[in-house]
Amino acid sequence: DTGVSQNPRHKITKRGQNVTFRCDPISEHNRLYWYRQTLGQGPEFLTYFQNEAQLEKSRLLSDRFSAERPKGSFSTLEIQRTEQGDSAMYLCASSGERGHNIQYFGAGTRLSVL
Amino acid sequence: KNQVEQSPQSLIILEGKNCTLQCNYTVSPFSNLRWYKQDTGRGPVSLTIMTFSENTKSNGRYTATLDADTKQSSLHITASQLSDSASYICVVSPDNNTNAGKSTFGDGTTLTVKP
Repeated sequence: DTGVSQNPRHKITKRGQNVTFRCDPISEHNRLYWYRQTLGQGPEFLTYFQNEAQLEKSRLLSDRFSAERPKGSFSTLEIQRTEQGDSAMYLCASSGERGHNIQYFGAGTRLSVL
Repeated sequence: KNQVEQSPQSLIILEGKNCTLQCNYTVSPFSNLRWYKQDTGRGPVSLTIMTFSENTKSNGRYTATLDADTKQSSLHITASQLSDSASYICVVSPDNNTNAGKSTFGDGTTLTVKP
């Protein structure tokens, strides 16, 4: 499969626990994005990497959220001390040299915080 | 504030019928507009991408139009199929290679195609 891969697909956790999601972008893509999507809403931008550098962060990305892309390939998104309001679909996308236009999305990780 | 408004919020049509979804935006300056299809529980998949100089773009039974003067776009689906049931999201970006976070996503139109 040469698309964007996200793991796990579903995560159920208790409030206060930490969770980590992984995203494997399309191999030749140097740009990687994280979004959050709640039911009935469009995706909301969280953060953007170009290679290993985190170039943009949304104000939505509170201090409980951290994202890394250590080798410029896969990325992780960690949420510490989860809250019920963190329940959402977390989407990862990647794009190549044609800029932000052609973003390919993964299937997402659905987080449920009980 | 840059906004993207989509209408209708939801739509139910019979299989084989045509439909048109609307997207109005206030993003300025404008670089490109994208339509995505998102199946339930899946990530969005790109349907069309248009720059400000393009008026129409087709992808099979999907045809997108753009009026950059009135800041309106539409997505027309011809001869709908059951598999067209999904959320259709309009995304507008102010530029191409900077400000990844400045792309504005609409909340989508949920289309249900019934047999």
